[in-house]
Amino acid sequence: AQSVTQLDSHVSVSEGTPVLLRCNYSSSYSPSLFWYVQHPNKGLQLLLKYTSAATLVKGINGFEAEFKKSETSFHLTKPSAHMSDAAEYFCVVSGGYSTLTFGKGTMLLVSP
Amino acid sequence: NAGVTQTPKFQVLKTGQSMTLQCAQDMNHEYMSWYRQDPGMGLRLIHYSVGAGITDQGEVPNGYNVSRSTTEDFPLRLLSAAPSQTSVYFCASRDRGEGYNSPLHFGNGTRLTVT
Repeated sequence: AQSVTQLDSHVSVSEGTPVLLRCNYSSSYSPSLFWYVQHPNKGLQLLLKYTSAATLVKGINGFEAEFKKSETSFHLTKPSAHMSDAAEYFCVVSGGYSTLTFGKGTMLLVSP
Repeated sequence: NAGVTQTPKFQVLKTGQSMTLQCAQDMNHEYMSWYRQDPGMGLRLIHYSVGAGITDQGEVPNGYNVSRSTTEDFPLRLLSAAPSQTSVYFCASRDRGEGYNSPLHFGNGTRLTVT
């Protein structure tokens, strides 16, 4: 069995300040983990993925995430928020080819 | 390369009507799936397929049917629409080559309203 918990339903930041979106997971296997972004009225776009090659993963648009096995976490960060980062973000765990579990999402609000 | 294509983009149905949501991918992915997205619920898996002729139920399959006659297409059928099926529906596929390391590739969604 596996599960994903996104610890914040909403996160508000000012433009130019750091972003932290938190994700904890549980899995019986050594999982793969993904972050997706969804802009309003759009589909989901892959930001980055962890597949056990390196614990610090860099993605698109300046985002990165660090896999911490001891804390079962995969938090998403960005040093400096941009207005265009305002969107909903989903953490996903994959424990098998046909088994993916989505978190409930974190809405990122960016103010000028 | 079109990726995952969903049609229609918007649909309004009356209770009891039936319809088919279309999904096609041109990446030769064996795995295809349907999700519904509701506010505060994230994405929930409806049905999935690991290859032509093979389908299985996900977390919320009731009221939906699927079939997979070709690798490219994976239609979702609503036999008798209900207001509880008002949602945004996403089709997604993934490559078998990387196994569970493969990311999902999503279509742009179908926004369905049942009145």
